[in-house]
Amino acid sequence: TQLLEQSPQFLSIQEGENLTVYCNSSSVFSSLQWYRQEPGEGPVLLVTVVTGGEVKKLKRLTFQFGDARKDSSLHITAAQPGDTGLYLCAGALSASGSRLTFGEGTQLTVNP
Amino acid sequence: EAQVTQNPRYLITVTGKKLTVTCSQNMNHEYMSWYRQDPGLGLRQIYYSMNVEVTDKGDVPEGYKVSRKEKRNFPLILESPSPNQTSLYFCASGVFRLETQYFGPGTRLLVL
Repeated sequence: TQLLEQSPQFLSIQEGENLTVYCNSSSVFSSLQWYRQEPGEGPVLLVTVVTGGEVKKLKRLTFQFGDARKDSSLHITAAQPGDTGLYLCAGALSASGSRLTFGEGTQLTVNP
Repeated sequence: EAQVTQNPRYLITVTGKKLTVTCSQNMNHEYMSWYRQDPGLGLRQIYYSMNVEVTDKGDVPEGYKVSRKEKRNFPLILESPSPNQTSLYFCASGVFRLETQYFGPGTRLLVL
């Protein structure tokens, strides 16, 4: 059983559409990270959220950390083909951030 | 260029033959970690290190060893590899609380 559940697992949309990916857990995390991974490469860190209720924006990407620090969401506005990839959330179980648990990932395909 | 390097990138070996996967970072990061990525299971943490001579177990440490004798290097050792250790391995380094974490390009291991 995954400690962090991501949904949906697969998402295929048309260019210009909006989408939201969810990351849920029954555990409280000291921080939560979102990564993007492309085939044949390592994950690339997009953002780290630390405070419950925190919202961070990265161009067309909006990340939110739940008030109770058990869940998070990633919203992409006006998706582009370049957004295609595997999106991973990872929760830190300790204050130092050293123990990380990952969700299984959401495979996003944006069709032109 | 800031980077995490892993060697080898691809490795085919046989059951029981000891092997080492090297990991090196040039960013003077205290924190380093090893993960394995498997279909349907996502990324799972094997071992991590908060500093030189300080290592600790992640979620799946069985069958693996690590050492941290120098800040820049964090090798992963498989003393007696078995087929269930066939996987894609990633090394990562970062700063305290993981506000920044960089992953290496991955090592694909096949144990026959």
